[in-house]
Amino acid sequence: SQKIEQNSEALNIQEGKTATLTCNYTNYSPAYLQWYRQDPGRGPVFLLLIRENEKEKRKERLKVTFDTTLKQSLFHITASQPADSATYLCALDNTDKLIFGTGTRLQVFP
Amino acid sequence: DAMVIQNPRYQVTQFGKPVTLSCSQTLNHNVMYWYQQKSSQAPKLLFHYYDKDFNNEADTPDNFQSRRPNTSFCFLDIRSPGLGDAAMYLCATSRDFQETQYFGPGTRLLVL
Repeated sequence: SQKIEQNSEALNIQEGKTATLTCNYTNYSPAYLQWYRQDPGRGPVFLLLIRENEKEKRKERLKVTFDTTLKQSLFHITASQPADSATYLCALDNTDKLIFGTGTRLQVFP
Repeated sequence: DAMVIQNPRYQVTQFGKPVTLSCSQTLNHNVMYWYQQKSSQAPKLLFHYYDKDFNNEADTPDNFQSRRPNTSFCFLDIRSPGLGDAAMYLCATSRDFQETQYFGPGTRLLVL
Protein backbone atom coordinates (compact mmCIF):
# COMPACT_ATOMS: atom_id res chain seq x y z
CA SER A 1 0.00 0.00 0.00
CA GLN A 2 1.06 3.60 -0.45
CA LYS A 3 2.68 5.17 2.56
CA ILE A 4 4.45 8.37 3.57
CA GLU A 5 6.51 8.20 6.73
CA GLN A 6 7.91 11.01 8.82
CA ASN A 7 9.40 10.63 12.27
CA SER A 8 6.48 10.76 14.65
CA GLU A 9 8.72 11.55 17.58
CA ALA A 10 9.66 15.16 18.15
CA LEU A 11 13.13 16.30 17.18
CA ASN A 12 14.77 18.38 19.90
CA ILE A 13 17.92 20.29 19.03
CA GLN A 14 19.96 23.14 20.39
CA GLU A 15 19.91 26.58 18.81
CA GLY A 16 22.58 27.00 16.15
CA LYS A 17 22.68 23.32 15.18
CA THR A 18 21.41 21.85 11.93
CA ALA A 19 18.04 20.11 12.08
CA THR A 20 17.49 17.23 9.64
CA LEU A 21 14.02 15.84 9.06
CA THR A 22 13.25 12.75 7.00
CA CYS A 23 10.40 11.86 4.67
CA ASN A 24 10.23 8.33 3.28
CA TYR A 25 7.61 7.02 0.92
CA THR A 26 6.61 3.71 -0.62
CA ASN A 27 4.56 2.80 -3.68
CA TYR A 28 4.54 6.34 -5.00
CA SER A 29 6.36 7.82 -7.96
CA PRO A 30 5.96 11.53 -7.32
CA ALA A 31 7.02 14.04 -9.93
CA TYR A 32 7.75 16.45 -7.09
CA LEU A 33 7.71 16.79 -3.35
CA GLN A 34 6.87 19.78 -1.17
CA TRP A 35 7.67 20.75 2.40
CA TYR A 36 5.33 22.81 4.57
CA ARG A 37 5.58 24.33 8.02
CA GLN A 38 2.61 24.17 10.39
CA ASP A 39 2.35 26.06 13.67
CA PRO A 40 -0.14 24.91 16.33
CA GLY A 41 -3.71 25.82 15.42
CA ARG A 42 -2.71 27.24 12.04
CA GLY A 43 -2.79 26.12 8.42
CA PRO A 44 0.36 24.77 6.73
CA VAL A 45 2.66 27.28 5.01
CA PHE A 46 4.60 26.31 1.88
CA LEU A 47 8.39 26.28 2.19
CA LEU A 48 10.04 24.47 -0.72
CA LEU A 49 9.23 22.36 -3.75
CA ILE A 50 11.71 19.93 -5.33
CA ARG A 51 11.16 18.05 -8.59
CA GLU A 52 12.17 14.49 -9.35
CA ASN A 53 14.99 15.62 -11.64
CA GLU A 54 16.46 17.89 -8.95
CA LYS A 55 18.79 16.47 -6.36
CA GLU A 56 18.85 19.49 -4.08
CA LYS A 57 17.08 22.81 -3.53
CA ARG A 58 18.05 25.65 -1.21
CA LYS A 59 16.28 28.68 0.18
CA GLU A 60 18.09 30.79 2.75
CA ARG A 61 18.77 28.45 5.72
CA LEU A 62 16.65 25.65 4.26
CA LYS A 63 17.87 22.79 2.09
CA VAL A 64 15.88 19.89 0.64
CA THR A 65 17.19 16.78 -1.07
CA PHE A 66 15.20 14.27 -3.08
CA ASP A 67 16.46 10.76 -3.78
CA THR A 68 14.01 8.89 -6.01
CA THR A 69 16.06 5.70 -5.74
CA LEU A 70 15.92 5.63 -1.96
CA LYS A 71 12.39 7.14 -2.07
CA GLN A 72 13.44 9.68 0.48
CA SER A 73 13.60 13.43 1.01
CA LEU A 74 15.69 15.14 3.65
CA PHE A 75 14.86 18.62 4.94
CA HIS A 76 17.63 20.57 6.63
CA ILE A 77 17.48 23.80 8.63
CA THR A 78 20.94 25.21 9.28
CA ALA A 79 21.75 27.56 12.15
CA SER A 80 18.41 26.68 13.71
CA GLN A 81 16.59 29.19 15.90
CA PRO A 82 13.84 28.83 18.51
CA ALA A 83 11.50 30.51 15.98
CA ASP A 84 11.97 27.46 13.74
CA SER A 85 10.07 25.35 16.27
CA ALA A 86 7.01 23.97 14.47
CA THR A 87 5.72 20.84 12.75
CA TYR A 88 7.12 20.19 9.29
CA LEU A 89 5.04 18.26 6.78
CA CYS A 90 6.20 16.66 3.57
CA ALA A 91 3.71 16.26 0.73
CA LEU A 92 3.91 14.21 -2.46
CA ASP A 93 2.05 14.92 -5.65
CA ASN A 94 -0.40 12.26 -6.71
CA THR A 95 -1.83 13.34 -10.06
CA ASP A 96 -4.26 16.14 -9.13
CA LYS A 97 -3.66 16.33 -5.39
CA LEU A 98 -1.08 16.28 -2.63
CA ILE A 99 -0.71 13.49 -0.12
CA PHE A 100 0.64 14.74 3.21
CA GLY A 101 2.73 12.99 5.82
CA THR A 102 1.85 13.30 9.49
CA GLY A 103 4.72 15.70 10.07
CA THR A 104 7.63 15.88 12.46
CA ARG A 105 7.58 18.30 15.35
CA LEU A 106 10.82 20.25 15.70
CA GLN A 107 11.70 21.93 18.97
CA VAL A 108 14.73 24.25 19.01
CA PHE A 109 15.82 25.24 22.49
CA PRO A 110 18.18 28.09 23.41
CA ASP B 1 -2.55 41.11 0.72
CA ALA B 2 -3.87 38.25 -1.36
CA MET B 3 -4.88 35.46 0.90
CA VAL B 4 -7.13 32.57 1.88
CA ILE B 5 -9.68 33.44 4.55
CA GLN B 6 -11.68 31.02 6.63
CA ASN B 7 -14.64 31.86 8.82
CA PRO B 8 -15.26 31.29 11.58
CA ARG B 9 -11.96 30.35 13.20
CA TYR B 10 -13.81 28.35 15.85
CA GLN B 11 -17.20 26.72 15.43
CA VAL B 12 -19.18 24.89 18.06
CA THR B 13 -22.16 22.82 16.97
CA GLN B 14 -24.41 20.22 18.47
CA PHE B 15 -24.47 16.57 17.52
CA GLY B 16 -26.62 16.23 14.40
CA LYS B 17 -27.06 19.97 13.82
CA PRO B 18 -26.01 21.05 10.30
CA VAL B 19 -23.04 23.38 10.09
CA THR B 20 -21.41 25.33 7.26
CA LEU B 21 -17.80 26.44 7.13
CA SER B 22 -16.72 29.06 4.63
CA CYS B 23 -13.57 29.84 2.69
CA SER B 24 -12.76 32.76 0.43
CA GLN B 25 -9.69 33.60 -1.61
CA THR B 26 -8.33 36.71 -3.24
CA LEU B 27 -5.69 34.82 -5.23
CA ASN B 28 -8.02 34.07 -8.16
CA HIS B 29 -6.83 30.46 -8.11
CA ASN B 30 -8.58 27.79 -10.12
CA VAL B 31 -8.42 25.02 -7.54
CA MET B 32 -9.90 25.03 -4.05
CA TYR B 33 -9.47 22.15 -1.59
CA TRP B 34 -11.00 21.14 1.71
CA TYR B 35 -8.96 19.09 4.17
CA GLN B 36 -9.79 17.58 7.54
CA GLN B 37 -6.97 17.40 10.07
CA LYS B 38 -7.19 15.70 13.44
CA SER B 39 -4.63 16.08 16.19
CA SER B 40 -1.16 14.80 15.23
CA GLN B 41 -2.47 13.49 11.91
CA ALA B 42 -1.85 14.42 8.31
CA PRO B 43 -4.29 16.75 6.56
CA LYS B 44 -6.79 14.47 4.81
CA LEU B 45 -8.25 15.67 1.53
CA LEU B 46 -12.05 15.61 1.48
CA PHE B 47 -12.71 17.09 -1.96
CA HIS B 48 -11.60 19.75 -4.39
CA TYR B 49 -12.92 21.97 -7.14
CA TYR B 50 -11.14 22.87 -10.34
CA ASP B 51 -13.19 25.89 -11.28
CA LYS B 52 -16.72 24.43 -11.17
CA ASP B 53 -15.63 20.80 -11.58
CA PHE B 54 -16.08 18.93 -8.32
CA ASN B 55 -14.01 15.91 -7.27
CA ASN B 56 -14.97 13.96 -4.18
CA GLU B 57 -12.42 11.66 -2.54
CA ALA B 58 -13.63 8.07 -2.49
CA ASP B 59 -13.52 7.80 1.28
CA THR B 60 -15.19 11.14 2.07
CA PRO B 61 -18.43 10.42 3.96
CA ASP B 62 -21.72 11.46 2.34
CA ASN B 63 -22.27 13.62 5.40
CA PHE B 64 -19.80 16.10 3.92
CA GLN B 65 -20.86 18.27 0.99
CA SER B 66 -19.34 21.27 -0.71
CA ARG B 67 -20.43 24.22 -2.81
CA ARG B 68 -18.46 26.67 -4.89
CA PRO B 69 -20.82 29.40 -6.08
CA ASN B 70 -18.04 31.45 -7.70
CA THR B 71 -14.25 31.58 -8.05
CA SER B 72 -13.72 33.27 -4.71
CA PHE B 73 -15.89 31.28 -2.33
CA CYS B 74 -16.14 27.65 -1.31
CA PHE B 75 -18.27 26.15 1.46
CA LEU B 76 -18.09 22.94 3.45
CA ASP B 77 -21.45 21.65 4.68
CA ILE B 78 -21.62 18.95 7.32
CA ARG B 79 -25.19 17.73 7.27
CA SER B 80 -25.30 15.82 10.54
CA PRO B 81 -22.09 16.29 12.53
CA GLY B 82 -21.00 13.43 14.73
CA LEU B 83 -18.51 13.50 17.58
CA GLY B 84 -15.92 12.02 15.24
CA ASP B 85 -16.17 15.05 12.94
CA ALA B 86 -14.55 17.31 15.51
CA ALA B 87 -11.35 18.43 13.82
CA MET B 88 -9.54 21.31 12.16
CA TYR B 89 -10.90 22.00 8.69
CA LEU B 90 -8.43 23.55 6.29
CA CYS B 91 -9.19 25.27 3.02
CA ALA B 92 -6.43 25.60 0.43
CA THR B 93 -6.08 26.98 -3.07
CA SER B 94 -3.67 26.52 -5.94
CA ARG B 95 -3.40 28.11 -9.34
CA ASP B 96 -3.45 24.70 -10.98
CA PHE B 97 -2.90 21.09 -10.05
CA GLN B 98 0.65 20.17 -9.10
CA GLU B 99 1.39 23.68 -7.88
CA THR B 100 1.96 25.12 -4.44
CA GLN B 101 -1.06 25.14 -2.20
CA TYR B 102 -1.94 28.17 -0.09
CA PHE B 103 -3.78 27.36 3.10
CA GLY B 104 -6.18 29.36 5.18
CA PRO B 105 -5.83 29.52 8.98
CA GLY B 106 -8.38 26.74 9.44
CA THR B 107 -11.65 26.39 11.32
CA ARG B 108 -11.63 24.30 14.45
CA LEU B 109 -14.93 22.47 14.80
CA LEU B 110 -16.16 21.24 18.15
CA VAL B 111 -19.19 18.93 18.28
CA LEU B 112 -21.07 18.73 21.58
